[in-house]
Amino acid sequence: GQSLEQPSEVTAVEGAIVQINCTYQTSGFYGLSWYQQHDGGAPTFLSYNALDGLEETGRFSSFLSRSDSYGYLLLQELQMKDSASYFCAVRDTRGTASKLTFGTGTRLQVTL
Amino acid sequence: EAGVAQSPRYKIIEKRQSVAFWCNPISGHATLYWYQQILGQGPKLLIQFQNNGVVDDSQLPKDRFSAERLKGVDSTLKIQPAKLEDSAVYLCASSSGTGGVQYFGPGTRLTVT
Repeated sequence: GQSLEQPSEVTAVEGAIVQINCTYQTSGFYGLSWYQQHDGGAPTFLSYNALDGLEETGRFSSFLSRSDSYGYLLLQELQMKDSASYFCAVRDTRGTASKLTFGTGTRLQVTL
Repeated sequence: EAGVAQSPRYKIIEKRQSVAFWCNPISGHATLYWYQQILGQGPKLLIQFQNNGVVDDSQLPKDRFSAERLKGVDSTLKIQPAKLEDSAVYLCASSSGTGGVQYFGPGTRLTVT
């Protein structure tokens, strides 16, 4: 089976940096994805790590340690529009038959 | 490039009624997914298609849920009969199969009363 753990809520101030952690226990692992979802909206892809290390995309970075079954999403220079839910998701295998298992999500509240 | 289209956006039905949702994926995407997202939870995969074949339907409640993807493009998800616990957002996503990237539609919010 698959099990992913994330904090349920995080609050941070505009302009600050916030880190959202994700630990996983899975029967198969090929990569870790991060998705953002605003209230009432669809999940949108942010980042994907298949190898250990840091991936940077603008203000967002994602890190993976396969040996620790751990990853995190780092959001820098927080803006009010970053208030949303953030989901980590494990990709179980390679190829087109692979599927994602999502965590329960972290609700980020950005305040002034 | 047009995104994933879904309809209807909202649906309210009474328990024991039936309902159907429609999804049109991004052009050229061979893989299509249906997810159920209950309020406060992450999306849960119901069924995955590769072209018009089912890859995974292990979490689909087959006694009441059915899905098809005729001709490997559009897909429909049906619930018959609906239960109160089926109240959720039903998300359709598609993928070209590269990495962990899926593109989601706006979803259908189902309320069962």
